[in-house]
Amino acid sequence: GENVEQHPSTLSVQEGDSAVIKCTYSDSASNYFPWYKQELGKRPQLIIDIRSNVGEKKDQRIAVTLNKTAKHFSLHITETQPEDSAVYFCAASKATGRRALTFGSGTRLQVQP
Amino acid sequence: DAGITQSPRHKVTETGTPVTLRCHQTENHRYMYWYRQDPGHGLRLIHYSYGVKDTDKGEVSDGYSVSRSKTEDFLLTLESATSSQTSVYFCAIGTSDTDTQYFGPGTRLTVL
Repeated sequence: GENVEQHPSTLSVQEGDSAVIKCTYSDSASNYFPWYKQELGKRPQLIIDIRSNVGEKKDQRIAVTLNKTAKHFSLHITETQPEDSAVYFCAASKATGRRALTFGSGTRLQVQP
Repeated sequence: DAGITQSPRHKVTETGTPVTLRCHQTENHRYMYWYRQDPGHGLRLIHYSYGVKDTDKGEVSDGYSVSRSKTEDFLLTLESATSSQTSVYFCAIGTSDTDTQYFGPGTRLTVL
């Protein structure tokens, strides 16, 4: 089955700096890659996603890049703010069958004011 | 947030007792999922459903069963709870035409 690895497990940046979180996946048939943000005690919230026919997608301060050849994708947050502090999860799935997500183990991002 | 609710939101139970968690959606989505979240493991799939009475196992299904008799409800049952099932349980829903999943608020279960 699919295996998703996520790095780093913790990340501390100064307010205004950029943050990058990287994930690799094992199943070349995976074609959907969402990113979720989870604040303490809350549900995971979808913040951005990308499909395999796209190499990059941007939404204001966040962007995701995908390299299908290397089987890795990354989340980029620019101009970080204290409210970006949370745990971020990457995931992967296929558009067929059960469509269930396989998650990375998460990255705790702390933005220091 | 998508129209997903979970009940109960918190539960403390004893080893060996049966427990049922409920996920209810108002979105009429076809796909429903149960995940558990534990420190260092992200979220792991327990069971999923691709329609009424159509369910299948995920990676960590041992000790769990599910039922879906209506589109809007997906039940997760721990037949005989164990301490290793102490976790936060999230339900998610997904549509037929996209891969996007939306999560419910979660249920924190403690098995003593």
